[in-house]
Amino acid sequence: EVHLVESGGGLVKPGGSLRLSCAASGFTFSTYTMNWVRQAPGKGLEWLSSISSTNSYIYYTDSVKGRFTISRDNAKNSLYLQMNSLRAEDTAVYYCARERDGGAEGDYWGQGTLVTVSS
Amino acid sequence: IQLTQSPSSLSASVGDRVTITCRASQGISSYLAWYQQKPGNAPKLLIYAASTLHSGVPSRFSGSGSGTHFTLTISSLQPEDFATYYCQQFGSYPPWTFGQGTKVEIK
Repeated sequence: EVHLVESGGGLVKPGGSLRLSCAASGFTFSTYTMNWVRQAPGKGLEWLSSISSTNSYIYYTDSVKGRFTISRDNAKNSLYLQMNSLRAEDTAVYYCARERDGGAEGDYWGQGTLVTVSS
Repeated sequence: IQLTQSPSSLSASVGDRVTITCRASQGISSYLAWYQQKPGNAPKLLIYAASTLHSGVPSRFSGSGSGTHFTLTISSLQPEDFATYYCQQFGSYPPWTFGQGTKVEIK
């Protein structure tokens, strides 16, 4: 069974940093493109970043470029999001999502981890 | 590319037929997916490629459309279907774009 579990969220002050992790199991992690998506309280879904299976391509949405870094460790079946220079508007639940094989949709998502940026 | 869902919310009764629309600002062929999200839970993929049902999704859900106009239909609304629904398109950049969501509430 496919399982994605995010961790690393919490309360951080503006300007601070956090590193989110997403532990994958139940599938061959190294062959899938992975994504980070966030959802601010009471708001919709916002795609943040994608990383291909072998790191050959990495994309970011404009609002996090230069502040967030996506990475993966295929040996550890793990996806990461390093978040620096955090702002109040980064407060959200952060989800990792697997991209469907042969497609580009998110076919499996983690349960999310909450990041709160506040002084 | 922007996706606009309508309505933003709707009230319906169990057994009703419900249709949600997603319009793209430019043609996206059939590169559209639909998700269901319940409060406190992650989104779940319902439909991909505009009309293909994801594994395990009940057959009362269906999708149609291509180009700029897409619909998600629930043929007979069930109690567990009360949720927020999002459309999503995928392209070269940004890879994923979501609609603003449609909340389906109990009448």
